[in-house]
Order: sequence, then structure tokens, then C-alpha cells
Amino acid sequence: GDSVTQTEGLVTLTKGLPVMLNCTYQTTYSPFLFWYVQHLNEAPKLLLKSSTDNKRTEHQGFYATLHKSSSSFHLQKSSVQLSDSALYFCALSDYNVLYFGSGTKLTVEP
Amino acid sequence: NAGVIQTPRHKVTGKGQEATLWCEPISGHSAVFWYRQTIVQGLEFLTYFRNQAPIDDSGMPKERFSAQMPNQSHSTLKIQSTQPQDSAVYLCASSLGGGANTEVFFGKGTRLTVV
Repeated sequence: GDSVTQTEGLVTLTKGLPVMLNCTYQTTYSPFLFWYVQHLNEAPKLLLKSSTDNKRTEHQGFYATLHKSSSSFHLQKSSVQLSDSALYFCALSDYNVLYFGSGTKLTVEP
Repeated sequence: NAGVIQTPRHKVTGKGQEATLWCEPISGHSAVFWYRQTIVQGLEFLTYFRNQAPIDDSGMPKERFSAQMPNQSHSTLKIQSTQPQDSAVYLCASSLGGGANTEVFFGKGTRLTVV
């Protein structure tokens, strides 16, 4: 069945450093991948999405590229800010339902 | 647009009691989803309605959990005989239901604590 794997549970970084959060997936369908961000006591919100192979998608300084050859959709940012501290979820759509990875908690320190 | 509204935001129940969680999807959205969020499991899919009809409940524990959507403006998730392991944040979400690329909007969730 469809599945999403996020290998890092916790990531702690100093402000200004780059970050990459890993996401790999398994599906028998044409993949639609998403990143959602959830700040403390808030609803998860869409950060970015893609279904186009090898095309970089960007939003709010974050970017990701879907690579079908490696079944990956890693999230990156060149310089993290304190406000980026949140839970980040990678998700895969089966055309109806979003299936999420276990999430990565990003903590940015001064 | 107030977004997806979930009530109550917090609920504490005693072991063995029933808990009913409420969700009001965004007006005009035809798809409604329920998820359960825990630190260990992350976001787990529970069930999904389209145009009020149940489509997929493959994530629902077969015993004690049930979901309904009696009209287009609200859905409920009911947990009978609650157990401590049911403690979690239950998230409701809705979308226009336009397929894989359609954005899903989440509510802030109901934090259920079973004591």
C-alpha cells in the first residue's frame, strides 16, 4: 500500500543555518506529494505540493523537488528562522485521501 | 471563512465513557476527513466522507469508533467505552474534493484525554 517515511523525528538547528527534512514514499500510482506545517496549538497547513518530476516548488522560503527515480520529496530551506519551529509532515495522496509520514519536529534556536 | 471548526477543543472523559467530537467543514467542501494525531504515530487517517456518504473507513478501529455526517455542515466522531489509548488529538479536515491535487484544510483539533 501507499506509505510515507520521514526519517528524522527531531531536528534542532541554530538560526540562519540550512535545513533538509527527508521524505520518501511508496505508491503504485502517479505520486502527488505534499508538505504540511503545524505550529504549536494550530491546525496543519499546506506548505507546498508537487506532482511534477524534477521540478522545484517553493513557498515561504521552503523548497522541494519531487524525484520519482528515488521516490523522494525532501524539504529544504537555506536559512531557518525562529518562526520555522514547528512540526513538518510529508504526505502522499491516493487521489482521495492524504497519507502522512510520522512527522519531523524542527526546533530553531537563537 | 472561519475554516474548519472543531468542538470542543479539549475533552476529558473517564475510562469507559462515551466521547462525541464535532466538526463543521468549510462551506461548499464536499470531502470531509477525520485523522488522529499522536506523538508516536503522527497523523493517522481514520475515515472519509464525500457528499455526506461514507467512502473509506479503513483507518477506523472496528470496535468502539464510528463516524457520521448527517448533513453537509457537520460530521461527528463517536468513541464508545473510551480507553486511555484513545487519548490523542482528533483532527477534522475538508476539501473541495477535486482529486489528488486538491488542498485539504484542517481544523485545530479536539484534544481527547481519557483518565
